[in-house]
Amino acid sequence: DIQMTQSPPSLSASVGDRVTITCRASRGIANYLNWYQQKPGKAPNLLIFASSSLHSGVPSRFSGSGSGTDFTLTISSLQPEDFATYYCQQSYSTALSFGGGTKVEIK
Amino acid sequence: VQLVETGGGLIQPGGSLRLSCSDPKFTVSSNYMTWVRQAPGKGLEWVSVIHRDGNTYYADSVKGRFTISRDNFKNTLYLQMNSLRAEDTAVYYCARAPGGFLNFDYWGQGTLVTVSS
Repeated sequence: DIQMTQSPPSLSASVGDRVTITCRASRGIANYLNWYQQKPGKAPNLLIFASSSLHSGVPSRFSGSGSGTDFTLTISSLQPEDFATYYCQQSYSTALSFGGGTKVEIK
Repeated sequence: VQLVETGGGLIQPGGSLRLSCSDPKFTVSSNYMTWVRQAPGKGLEWVSVIHRDGNTYYADSVKGRFTISRDNFKNTLYLQMNSLRAEDTAVYYCARAPGGFLNFDYWGQGTLVTVSS
């Protein structure tokens, strides 16, 4: 199975900050990497698919990059509604898997 | 699209439960459908997926105990959970992906399964 490791597990940031979250796969997954945002008590929402494609309706301040084993999610200017937990998910293998999550908190 | 899960509840260890998931606005069999769970205070854990072609795949933690299926006539996705353990306690979400990239764009609200004596 493919293990997904996110870093950092949590971070504190201020409104307007640029935030970068990293996701590393235990083996190459090409660009089969998706990102989700989850707020407390709610289902996850898809942000980015295929490593860098923005899902419909997602603000352009979110972007993704990477291929192979190393991927990043960037929020160019953090907004109040962006404080949440972010997860990466690989779909290269038939056994899907998620990263452990990165909680973005208010500084 | 709003997927709706039903079937959660309190069940004793060793017991069985069947979750259901449906949405009248799209055809379950035309999509890739998955179950994902989240234990209290923990992250997301993938459980199982059924592809458009009917092939099914499972996480090692549930293999041999859980079965994913769909009823095309009822347009409903199921997760049959047997031999339940305390560590299966979680909110269970169903979600759909429209294509083979398995990017899940619509999710249900989740249903809580509590395994406890």
